[in-house]
Amino acid sequence: AQSVTQLGSHVSVSEGALVLLRCNYSSSVPPYLFWYVQYPNQGLQLLLKYTSAATLVKGINGFEAEFKKSETSFHLTKPSAHMSDAAEYFCAVRPSYNFNKFYFGSGTKLNVKP
Amino acid sequence: DGGITQSPKYLFRKEGQNVTLSCEQNLNHDAMYWYRQDPGQGLRLIYYSQIVNDFQKGDIAEGYSVSREKKESFPLTVTSAQKNPTAFYLCASSPSGTESNYGYTFGSGTRLTVV
Repeated sequence: AQSVTQLGSHVSVSEGALVLLRCNYSSSVPPYLFWYVQYPNQGLQLLLKYTSAATLVKGINGFEAEFKKSETSFHLTKPSAHMSDAAEYFCAVRPSYNFNKFYFGSGTKLNVKP
Repeated sequence: DGGITQSPKYLFRKEGQNVTLSCEQNLNHDAMYWYRQDPGQGLRLIYYSQIVNDFQKGDIAEGYSVSREKKESFPLTVTSAQKNPTAFYLCASSPSGTESNYGYTFGSGTRLTVV
């Protein structure tokens, strides 16, 4: 079965600092990979996705993620954190052999300190 | 603009009562999904439907029921058999088939509380 691991349920950074949120997946076949952001009491919004094109994917709000097959990772980064980035972030996997299901990580709450 | 509408935003349920959460989409998506979200547990799949009049159980279907009579609508009923229904419920949709690299579009959620 597919699984997604997000290291760190809470991450705290200072405004202007680098944001790094980690995601690892388990699959022998590279899946489709996604990052979503959720603000309090709202649904999830797509930040970016990897679909076997370029390994470095740029998304909205200055975020980007790099797919590393050898490490089975898809970490999310942003060079300079902004207060408005405070939210919960979810990594998700959609197996290439079963497009009917997504597998979500347990989420990482990002806190941005002034 | 196209999107997914969930209603109500907040819902209160008494013990032993069934309640229905609404999910409507105008994106012409074939597939629709219901997820439950609890703090620290991420999203867990309740039910999903790929076509009208067909649906499958997800990982935590017990105590829930769904219907898919129209492409646009996928209501979720939380029955009295669900012993711990207090949670945030999210509906999502996506194209299916060859567009499998498409992500989900989510609704804004319904927060259900047992009183």
